[in-house]
Amino acid sequence: GAGVSQSPSNKVTEKGKDVELRCDPISGHTALYWYRQRLGQGLEFLIYFQGNSAPDKSGLPSDRFSAERTGESVSTLTIQRTQQEDSAVYLCASSFGERSTDTQYFGPGTRLTVL
Amino acid sequence: AQSVTQLDSQVPVFEEAPVELRCNYSSSVSVYLFWYVQYPNQGLQLLLKYLSGSTLVKGINGFEAEFNKSQTSFHLRKPSVHISDTAEYFCAVNFLRGNEKLTFGTGTRLTIIP
Repeated sequence: GAGVSQSPSNKVTEKGKDVELRCDPISGHTALYWYRQRLGQGLEFLIYFQGNSAPDKSGLPSDRFSAERTGESVSTLTIQRTQQEDSAVYLCASSFGERSTDTQYFGPGTRLTVL
Repeated sequence: AQSVTQLDSQVPVFEEAPVELRCNYSSSVSVYLFWYVQYPNQGLQLLLKYLSGSTLVKGINGFEAEFNKSQTSFHLRKPSVHISDTAEYFCAVNFLRGNEKLTFGTGTRLTIIP
């Protein structure tokens, strides 16, 4: 079956521009996570959607970052007024259940480069 | 502060040799432990996880890991590696703080030498 997909796979933008990253989770997965991976660093948690509950936004680094999810489907991560330090690979993951004990399935990521 | 440490950023190993990838965490409370693997040009996938019970956990592709509570470690091992094991390996921990977040280590790049 189809896995988690993300688009675009690569995005190059100029400093100050807004970008929108998309994640299509596996159908039926209730939980969705966004992570950021900077070069040479581990995955950094950004935000977690859990069914119909309020999302856990505690990992968002600034108010320039926001994310939405419609029901249990597509999610978009928006970065406004991009800065060079936003350059990273942004990973999306989904899981069937809402506990961390449930296996997270990762997408291939979106590589964002801010010039 | 609770953290996850993978001391080895790169590990080169000859084919058919054994390998151990180290993971240590800092926590005085119970944890859930995971190893994820990222093959070249692919997304991360779960190798194995420890939730409770036996401290020796077996995963896919012949890998296993042992949870050592006293040493707060969860090292990943394989007795004989293959070229196809070339990948980046990430240790992750849920510190059971009442949320479902995983804290990831910085990763270890395993390179198999023919």
